[in-house]
Amino acid sequence: GQNIDQPTEMTATEGAIVQINCTYQTSGFNGLFWYQQHAGEAPTFLSYNVLDGLEEKGRFSSFLSRSKGYSYLLLKELQMKDSASYLCAVRDWAGTGTASKLTFGTGTRLQVTL
Amino acid sequence: EAGVTQFPSHSVIEKGQTVTLRCDPISGHDNLYWYRRVMGKEIKFLLHFVKESKQDESGMPNNRFLAERTGGTYSTLKVQPAELEDSGVYFCASSRLGGETEAFFGQGTRLTVV
Repeated sequence: GQNIDQPTEMTATEGAIVQINCTYQTSGFNGLFWYQQHAGEAPTFLSYNVLDGLEEKGRFSSFLSRSKGYSYLLLKELQMKDSASYLCAVRDWAGTGTASKLTFGTGTRLQVTL
Repeated sequence: EAGVTQFPSHSVIEKGQTVTLRCDPISGHDNLYWYRRVMGKEIKFLLHFVKESKQDESGMPNNRFLAERTGGTYSTLKVQPAELEDSGVYFCASSRLGGETEAFFGQGTRLTVV
């Protein structure tokens, strides 16, 4: 099975940089995803890491270390609209060539303040 | 391209009643997943369809839950009879076949059993 930990809440200032950490223990690994979810809305895909290293996409970057079971999501130049929950999710490896289920952490609620 | 749509958005039913949730995946997405989030907990996997076949139903809580995907297009999740602990937000997600693609989520159905 999977066990995923991330902080429950974080607060940061508009314009700043924030790093949201995620650690996981897994019996099988086929990628780590970060999703953003505003209250009452669908989780929205942000990033995907399957190899070690940093993936950059605009203001958002995600890092993965498979040996440490660790990932982080880095948000730069924070904007008020970035206030949301950020979900870390690990995908199993089904071994059949078919995408398998995601196991989610509880999510980190980020509050961006002026 | 239309996203994943779920119906209804909200449902309030009495304990013992039956409720059917519907999910329309993105056109062309053969993978369809059902997830559930109960209050204060993480999003948890329920079931995975590949086309019309159940690939993985290890997350289904008990036999009061029945999921179908006849014809490999839309899916339904029926809860019969509903219990208080079934309350939560039920998410549907879909993705293309292949191991590297991200899942797109619907906005969810908020089910309240009273």
